Amino acid sequence: GAVVSQHPSRVICKSGTSVKIECRSLDFQATTMFWYRQFPKQSLMLMATSNEGSKATYEQGVEKDKFLINHASLTLSTLTVTSAHPEDSSFYICSARDRLAAIGSPLHFGNGTRLTVT
Amino acid sequence: KNEVEQSPQNLTAQEGEFITINCSYSVGISALHWLQQHPGGGIVSLFMLSSGKKKHGRLIATINIQEKHSSLHITASHPRDSAVYICAVRCSLTLAGGYQKVTFGTGTKLQVIP
Repeated sequence: GAVVSQHPSRVICKSGTSVKIECRSLDFQATTMFWYRQFPKQSLMLMATSNEGSKATYEQGVEKDKFLINHASLTLSTLTVTSAHPEDSSFYICSARDRLAAIGSPLHFGNGTRLTVT
Repeated sequence: KNEVEQSPQNLTAQEGEFITINCSYSVGISALHWLQQHPGGGIVSLFMLSSGKKKHGRLIATINIQEKHSSLHITASHPRDSAVYICAVRCSLTLAGGYQKVTFGTGTKLQVIP
């Protein structure tokens, strides 16, 4: 089945530094990838929708200058957390939609990245 | 009120029991997903439903579009079924860019005891 690879799985960084998280579709092309955030014991929250070759669409309340999204190819989207603060510590997950699949097809999720900002 | 409500929030069952997790939603949808999140965080998509019923192994998912309700059933539950089960709905409105917004329930934490 379709595989989405997310890297790194865990990262610890210091306040003020930037962290890049990669989301790759390994055996399909994804014109659209989604980035989610999950706080402890809470559900997933959609942060932004990443469209290949164009600017990402951010959900209300998500700072686009803080969470930079780049979707430069049909198989790779990156999320960069800039000037990280401890409150950015969270679990970040991506999902991707196969460009050949019909609207409403299953989502394919990465395994997530646990970010800890010290 | 959340657009997607799940119940129960926590569930403990004995191995072998039949388990039901419920999901109610308040928006128009094009599809509903049941997801399984393991303790490490990884997520697996179990089902995608737009109508009726689907079965995969010991898992059964049903949806009633008129009542805006879906259930996930696990037959002959096993400790390895212990996970968080999340209901997610894909809204029927297609936004600019050709995608449909997905809203997640808060999840049901299931623990199956041997």
